[in-house]
Amino acid sequence: GENVEQHPSTLSVQEGDSAVIKCTYSDSASNYFPWYKQELGKRPQLIIDIRSNVGEKKDQRIAVTLNKTAKHFSLHITETQPEDSAVYFCAASREGAQKLVFGQGTRLTINP
Amino acid sequence: NAGVTQTPKFQVLKTGQSMTLQCAQDMNHEYMSWYRQDPGMGLRLIHYSVGAGITDQGEVPNGYNVSRSTTEDFPLRLLSAAPSQTSVYFCASSWRGGRGELFFGEGSRLTVL
Repeated sequence: GENVEQHPSTLSVQEGDSAVIKCTYSDSASNYFPWYKQELGKRPQLIIDIRSNVGEKKDQRIAVTLNKTAKHFSLHITETQPEDSAVYFCAASREGAQKLVFGQGTRLTINP
Repeated sequence: NAGVTQTPKFQVLKTGQSMTLQCAQDMNHEYMSWYRQDPGMGLRLIHYSVGAGITDQGEVPNGYNVSRSTTEDFPLRLLSAAPSQTSVYFCASSWRGGRGELFFGEGSRLTVL
C-alpha cells in the first residue's frame, strides 16, 4: 500500500522567512496530494491540494509543487507569520481509492 | 451547520473496558472515517465507510469495530481497551471519499490505564 514520508519533523524559521516541507510517496498511481494544517489543540484543516495533472498550485503565501517522476511534493510558505505556527500534514491517495494516507507531520515554529 | 461532531472530548478507561466514540455529521457526506493521531505517527486510518451499511478497514483496524446504519452517524467501538489505544481520535467526513477535502471533528482524547 501507499507510504508517505514527510520531512523535516520539526522546522523553526524566523518570521518573514520562507518554510519548505517535503513529502515522498511510494505508490506511482497516487494522483491527489492535499496538505492539512493543525493548530495546537485544534482539528486538522485543508489548506491546499494538488492533483497530478498540474505541477504547481499557489494560494496567496502558500504553494505546493509536485514532481511525479521523483514521487515527491512540497509545501512552500513565504513571508511566514506567527499564525503559520502549527503542525502540517501531507497526504496522498490514488484514483478510485477511499484511503487517504498521511505523512508523519511537521511541527513548524515561526520565531518573532 | 454543525459540521462533524464527536463525543466525548475526553475519556479515561481502564484496560479491558469497552466504550463507543460517537461521530455525527450534518453535511450529507457519504464518506466517513476514523483516524488516530499519535506523536510522530501522523494520522492513521482506522476504519472508513462509503455509505450506510458499507464499512472497510484502514491501516490500523485491530481492536476497533464500526458500523454505519445511517448517513449521519459513524460510531467507533473499542470492545476491550488496551493501553496501546491511548490516542487522540478524529472522525472525518468527505463528499468525495479519500480524494476530497476531509472535514474533521474536534477530536476525542482517550487514555487507557
